[in-house]
Amino acid sequence: RKEVEQDPGPFNVPEGATVAFNCTYSNSASQSFFWYRQDCRKEPKLLMSVYSSDNEDGRFTAQLNRASQYISLLIRDSKLSDSATYLCVVNTPNDYKLSFGAGTTVTVRA
Amino acid sequence: DTGVSQDPRHKITKRGQNVTFRCDPISEHNRLYWYRQTLGQGPEFLTYFQNEAQLEKSRLLSDRFSAERPKGSFSTLEIQHTEQGDSAMYLCASSLALKDRSVYEQYFGPGTRLTVT
Repeated sequence: RKEVEQDPGPFNVPEGATVAFNCTYSNSASQSFFWYRQDCRKEPKLLMSVYSSDNEDGRFTAQLNRASQYISLLIRDSKLSDSATYLCVVNTPNDYKLSFGAGTTVTVRA
Repeated sequence: DTGVSQDPRHKITKRGQNVTFRCDPISEHNRLYWYRQTLGQGPEFLTYFQNEAQLEKSRLLSDRFSAERPKGSFSTLEIQHTEQGDSAMYLCASSLALKDRSVYEQYFGPGTRLTVT
C-alpha cells in the first residue's frame, strides 16, 4: 500500500466553481501535512501547510482528519491559474523526508 | 522564486556515462534533500543532509549514486554508469530545522531533467 494516495483526476471545472479532492495516508504516526502545487515540468511549490483540522488561506481550505487519515483540499472561486497538479504531502515520523502522493490534476476552463 | 538553484537544468547523456548535478540551497537552510520524480508520479526521497552530514539514504539510491555536501552549503549528486531507468527529474529541496520547531517546510529548486539515451 502506498504511503499517500490521491485521486489522480483530472478534475475539469469551469471558472468560478468550487472543486475539492482528498488524499489518504497510511501511517497513523504522521505528524505534518502539506499541499504542494506543481505546474507542468516545473518544481513543486508549497501551497499550504496543514497544522490543524481546518486551515484556510484565501480561496484554499485544507482539512485534516487524523481519525480517518485523510486530508482534503478545497478551492473556491476557481481561476484559470489554478490549473495544476496538486500534490498531497505527508511528513514521516522521523521528520526528515516528505512522502508525496502522485498528484491530483485540476483543469479550470473558461 | 524559492531561492534554491540547480544546475544544469537539462542533461542528455548516453548510457554508461557519468553525470553530476549541483544544488545550491537557500543560504540559511541547514537541511538539503534530493528527490527523484518520474512522469505521473510524485517526487521520491533519495537522500538528505543536515549541514555536511549525510543522515539518510533511500534504498532507491543504488551504489551508482553518490551525494556530497562538503561544506554544508551546496550539494552534488553524481550518477555513475547511467542507465535508461535513471531518466527522471532530479529535485533538490532545502529547509531550516530549528530545535524549537517541529515542522520544516521544504522548498524545491527547479530540478535537473536527465535523459539517458
